[in-house]
Amino acid sequence: DTGVSQDPRHKITKRGQNVTFRCDPISEHNRLYWYRQTLGQGPEFLTYFQNEAQLEKSRLLSDRFSAERPKGSFSTLEIQRTEQGDSAMYLCASSPELGRGTDTQYFGPGTRLTVL
Amino acid sequence: GNSVTQMEGPVTLSEEAFLTINCTYTATGYPSLFWYVQYPGEGLQLLLKATKADDKGSNKGFEATYRKETTSFHLEKGSVQVSDSAVYFCALVLATSGTYKYIFGTGTRLKVLA
Repeated sequence: DTGVSQDPRHKITKRGQNVTFRCDPISEHNRLYWYRQTLGQGPEFLTYFQNEAQLEKSRLLSDRFSAERPKGSFSTLEIQRTEQGDSAMYLCASSPELGRGTDTQYFGPGTRLTVL
Repeated sequence: GNSVTQMEGPVTLSEEAFLTINCTYTATGYPSLFWYVQYPGEGLQLLLKATKADDKGSNKGFEATYRKETTSFHLEKGSVQVSDSAVYFCALVLATSGTYKYIFGTGTRLKVLA
């Protein structure tokens, strides 16, 4: 078990460009989450997958954001036409499906996005 | 709505001092409560958790007790070390609508001086 991995760790892009991030959860974890963390703040929920189904999206996730988990394993988060306000750390987490929501979420190291 | 409030940081302590980081929550229902720690350059790591009232979570000398009557989950450690310097996040999760998203506090930075 190598933990949750994210790629890339850092991304610098120019405003208006598209970016895509990848998350590989812990194997056999059914649940996968994306969060966004800005400087001095706690992580904020973006979206949630159970297997390949995207079950919830935060209103923080504008139309420029899209997330997929096509085979119920890895997930991608794409941001189109990036804006400077998108600069943040994007965190991925996974958890097993054990019960009534008390499951621990295991976080990856994050992808730090800087939009110039 | 559901929320978590943490004490502002940074908290600066000398090695071997007693640590308390306050966390209070507002929730509709009965949340599970967590403390995560983020060391410089690393991801969030679970420190401890409690899933029902009066439960005490503990790990690495840290403790927190789920207090329903005061809606609190304060983090304590009897003797901090320089290696405990990090940002600590309190979080809750509610199993509503079939999702289990965390709601985090803003984090409290701890600096421990030798």
